[in-house]
Amino acid sequence: DTGVSQNPRHKITKRGQNVTFRCDPISEHNRLYWYRQTLGQGPEFLTYFQNEAQLEKSRLLSDRFSAERPKGSFSTLEIQRTEQGDSAMYLCASSLVQGGDNEQFFGPGTRLTVL
Amino acid sequence: AQSVTQLGSHVSVSEGALVLLRCNYSSSVPPYLFWYVQYPNQGLQLLLKYTSAATLVKGINGFEAEFKKSETSFHLTKPSAHMSDAAEYFCAVSAPTNAGKSTFGDGTTLTVKP
Repeated sequence: DTGVSQNPRHKITKRGQNVTFRCDPISEHNRLYWYRQTLGQGPEFLTYFQNEAQLEKSRLLSDRFSAERPKGSFSTLEIQRTEQGDSAMYLCASSLVQGGDNEQFFGPGTRLTVL
Repeated sequence: AQSVTQLGSHVSVSEGALVLLRCNYSSSVPPYLFWYVQYPNQGLQLLLKYTSAATLVKGINGFEAEFKKSETSFHLTKPSAHMSDAAEYFCAVSAPTNAGKSTFGDGTTLTVKP
């Protein structure tokens, strides 16, 4: 399967701990997006990369959040000093920019529970 | 700026009945519109998309949607519901001018009764 993959699928952590998630996009896709989805809501945009450059960050992305895409391939999202309010599903999506509709392909998500 | 409103957080239909999930959007530029389906503990799967071509868009699993600019709507329909259609559905808006990032509605949970 050559779709978007995310690891881990589930993460339970204690408040105050740091966590890191990984996203592997579809190999030829040059854009990569992170979204956060809380229960009963739609995904909310966090940040996106074009190749290795992080081009936009949402105001939702506090200083405790950092994302990287060091070689323009996989990406990591780190949350430092986790809070209970960080509990959510973190979704990654990728797309190929060709001047078209920028259709995004989503991974299965990482569900974070902060105790 | 763009936004999406999905009318009805829960919709229940009988198997074989018409499915209608409502979506209204707001966008300052001509939009791209998408419908996604999400099953429990899974990511989003694209059902169909509107990208300024035909206003009636056909997608997977028998779903279709019609873009109506005058009503700023993009409602999702399926003539006959199957049990396997039970899931959460999200409408999303994007635009060529905003790097493709999407704004999603809050979703509609579809229940299909036998």
